[in-house]
Amino acid sequence: EPEVTQTPSHQVTQMGQEVILRCVPISNHLYFYWYRQILGQKVEFLVSFYNNEISEKSEIFDDQFSVERPDGSNFTLKIRSTKLEDSAMYFCASNRQTSGRGYNEQFFGPGTRLTVL
Amino acid sequence: AQSVTQPDIHITVSEGASLELRCNYSYGATPYLFWYVQSPGQGLQLLLKYFSGDTLVQGIKGFEAEFKRSQSSFNLRKPSVHWSDAAEYFCAVGAGGTSYGKLTFGQGTILTVHP
Repeated sequence: EPEVTQTPSHQVTQMGQEVILRCVPISNHLYFYWYRQILGQKVEFLVSFYNNEISEKSEIFDDQFSVERPDGSNFTLKIRSTKLEDSAMYFCASNRQTSGRGYNEQFFGPGTRLTVL
Repeated sequence: AQSVTQPDIHITVSEGASLELRCNYSYGATPYLFWYVQSPGQGLQLLLKYFSGDTLVQGIKGFEAEFKRSQSSFNLRKPSVHWSDAAEYFCAVGAGGTSYGKLTFGQGTILTVHP
């Protein structure tokens, strides 16, 4: 069964450093998302991406964040200058396009735990 | 804007007892509703979903949920809880239109199961 994969599973970085979190969505999916879960809190939407551009972003997704689909398979989240409060689990998800009305479920990756020291 | 409320932060039940986890949502159009389960340090596993049709939906691991539009609720139920069901449960509502696919999650309910 196809699945969303994420690398690395755990990333430790120093405050102020840049990190890139990588995701490989399911191959025939066209919508991509990043979510964040700070330890002990709920899962929060960061950004959605479709047709090579951001569809929507939350207040959390400020200028320090960027997303990219550099090739036909990867979907990345870059944090330019990490802060302590960026420490969280980051989940990638993908969703296939609907034909006409309707909705399809989202498939989540296993997450990348980011620790900023 | 869409929102989800899970009123119970922590629920404790005995193994074999029945379970109901509450979820209330706010969404201006037809809601797409989901329940996810998360074990400590793990990712999100989809238990069940409601898009349309029959308001009682069956999911994996013996879970079911009932959509009640009049109450804006989508409560999760299980007739007999197993120790392995101990985890955190998240209710979520999905958006359509220009926000297609965006999920808004509730705060989660931690389920503890006593032997």
